Amino acid sequence: DQQVKQNSPSLSVQEGRISILNCDYTNSMFDYFLWYKKYPAEGPTFLISISSIKDKNEDGRFTVFLNKSAKHLSLHIVPSQPGDSAVYFCAASERSRAGKSTFGDGTTLTVKP
Amino acid sequence: DAGITQSPRHKVTETGTPVTLRCHQTENHRYMYWYRQDPGHGLRLIHYSYGVKDTDKGEVSDGYSVSRSKTEDFLLTLESATSSQTSVYFCAISESRDAYEQYFGPGTRLTVT
Repeated sequence: DQQVKQNSPSLSVQEGRISILNCDYTNSMFDYFLWYKKYPAEGPTFLISISSIKDKNEDGRFTVFLNKSAKHLSLHIVPSQPGDSAVYFCAASERSRAGKSTFGDGTTLTVKP
Repeated sequence: DAGITQSPRHKVTETGTPVTLRCHQTENHRYMYWYRQDPGHGLRLIHYSYGVKDTDKGEVSDGYSVSRSKTEDFLLTLESATSSQTSVYFCAISESRDAYEQYFGPGTRLTVT
């Protein structure tokens, strides 16, 4: 049973437009959510996170929204830039599991100039 | 960037041979993790460590063992490599139980022929 799902394997947007990446989870014990970005031949890098006590967290062009009732989170990138082209992983953690994260399968974002 | 290195970066080995991958950190972080990433899949946790000589299994631990004799080093061993263990292996670190963000190494691409 996959507890964190990213249902869109890929997304293509035009430069300057908004990119919206989605993630769903099934485990109601998750209390912290993270997004990582990964370029080819590199390790993932932490991008932005949100605690379950919040519904929005913003960092520059990146905003994460959390809808606990729907068990859904999304990452908004505005405006999208070609350098944002990468694989984005959603991850979820629960405090009782010593910070271990469960990852989604990733969404490949392509931003076209 | 967090000081995390992995060695080797690439390795080709034959079925049935033992293989050891090394993760080295200079951040003095307590938690260390080994993940594997396969095409179309997210990061799956193999083993993790919450201190020197303290390790535990992740979701895909069969066929793998780990050791941590020093804070800075976390070794992953494939006792008898199989073709199903062909993958990209990532090491990650986090500062503490409450620091959910993980920092990843550059990865090791392992091919088992």
